[in-house]
Amino acid sequence: AQKVTQAQTEISVVEKEDVTLDCVYETRDTTYYLFWYKQPPSGELVFLIRRNSFDEQNEISGRYSWNFQKSTSSFNFTITASQVVDSAVYFCALSGPSGSARQLTFGSGTQLTVLP
Amino acid sequence: GAVVSQHPSRVICKSGTSVKIECRSLDFQATTMFWYRQFPKQSLMLMATSNEGSKATYEQGVEKDKFLINHASLTLSTLTVTSAHPEDSSFYICSAPPGLAGGTHTQYFGPGTRLTVL
Repeated sequence: AQKVTQAQTEISVVEKEDVTLDCVYETRDTTYYLFWYKQPPSGELVFLIRRNSFDEQNEISGRYSWNFQKSTSSFNFTITASQVVDSAVYFCALSGPSGSARQLTFGSGTQLTVLP
Repeated sequence: GAVVSQHPSRVICKSGTSVKIECRSLDFQATTMFWYRQFPKQSLMLMATSNEGSKATYEQGVEKDKFLINHASLTLSTLTVTSAHPEDSSFYICSAPPGLAGGTHTQYFGPGTRLTVL
């Protein structure tokens, strides 16, 4: 069984602060995929990143960065110099290797509020 | 990126009626589509896997006779909520991983359908 835990239910920061969203996962698959999605108030899910289990390189995309630590089963997401537009619910998700296992198991989400 | 559409975006219906939600992949084909449900301030929960040319696979606890899924073509899956009740009010989201046989592991989500049952 797969499980994704996002222990932080809500986080509030002031604009320009850095913020890290935590994600811990459990899976028995040796090949798996990790994702982060953003869900603004409109409800539509916005894809941010996909990482496969064999690629532990950290990734940076503008103000976003991701830290994948296989040893601790964590895939944390950091936003530097946060902006009000970053306010949203962020979901970490996990999928299996192929076929029907591609359905996503979502964490409970972290509501990020960036105050001006 | 690949585009997935859903129709309608919002629907309000009376208790006991049926509602059909369409999910379309606009610029790619998908043999598999997934239907999720999200209650307010909760996470997305997989309801069922829609398979083109075969029966849908339902998650435990999801009534297959209540949530009818038809994957009519490689670009269209429909979810029909039959005899809807107020507890079915939720945000329904579909997703599709591009590809005909396995394909990419990045899933693209539709914009969601907000169902309110009075």
